[in-house]
Amino acid sequence: DQQVKQNSPSLSVQEGRISILNCDYTNSMFDYFLWYKKYPAEGPTFLISISSIKDKNEDGRFTVFLNKSAKHLSLHIVPSQPGDSAVYFCAASGMGNYKLTFGKGTLLTVNP
Amino acid sequence: KAGVTQTPRYLIKTRGQQVTLSCSPISGHRSVSWYQQTPGQGLQFLFEYFSETQRNKGNFPGRFSGRQFSNSRSEMNVSTLELGDSALYLCASSLGGSPGETQYFGPGTRLLVL
Repeated sequence: DQQVKQNSPSLSVQEGRISILNCDYTNSMFDYFLWYKKYPAEGPTFLISISSIKDKNEDGRFTVFLNKSAKHLSLHIVPSQPGDSAVYFCAASGMGNYKLTFGKGTLLTVNP
Repeated sequence: KAGVTQTPRYLIKTRGQQVTLSCSPISGHRSVSWYQQTPGQGLQFLFEYFSETQRNKGNFPGRFSGRQFSNSRSEMNVSTLELGDSALYLCASSLGGSPGETQYFGPGTRLLVL
């Protein structure tokens, strides 16, 4: 039973445009959400997080939006750069739980 | 600050053998978690240690075990290796004070079981 879902295995955008990566979750006990970026042969790199008491968090070119009623979050990257090309993972954790539950990732390709 | 380090980076073993992987967390971090990444299953949680105690455990067989030392360094062991254990094993560390903290990952150990 996949509690965190990233339904788009891949996404291709042009340099300078917006990239929107989506994530859905089913467990209403999740209250902390994170996005990681991963290059081949490297570990995931933390990008940005949001707690369930917020609906938006920004850090530079990265913004995460959380819609709790829809159990949906999204990562916006503006403007997209070729160096952003990587696999992006959405992860979630619940109160009292120290483990992260990951989606299966979305491969983002930013074309010059 | 130095990041999370994992050794070895690559490992080749044969079925039936055992393997031990090592992880050194970021200085000051007391929580260490282990994850397995495979193409089919994605990133799956193995276990988490804090102050030498296992606090959380994922749904893996007992062949997978771990431990944490007093300096927060951690090891994981897989006994009686199977072909399906071929994966990237990732270690992540966090301060460990509260759930939902950001976890920072090491580069991983790539294990190939022949």
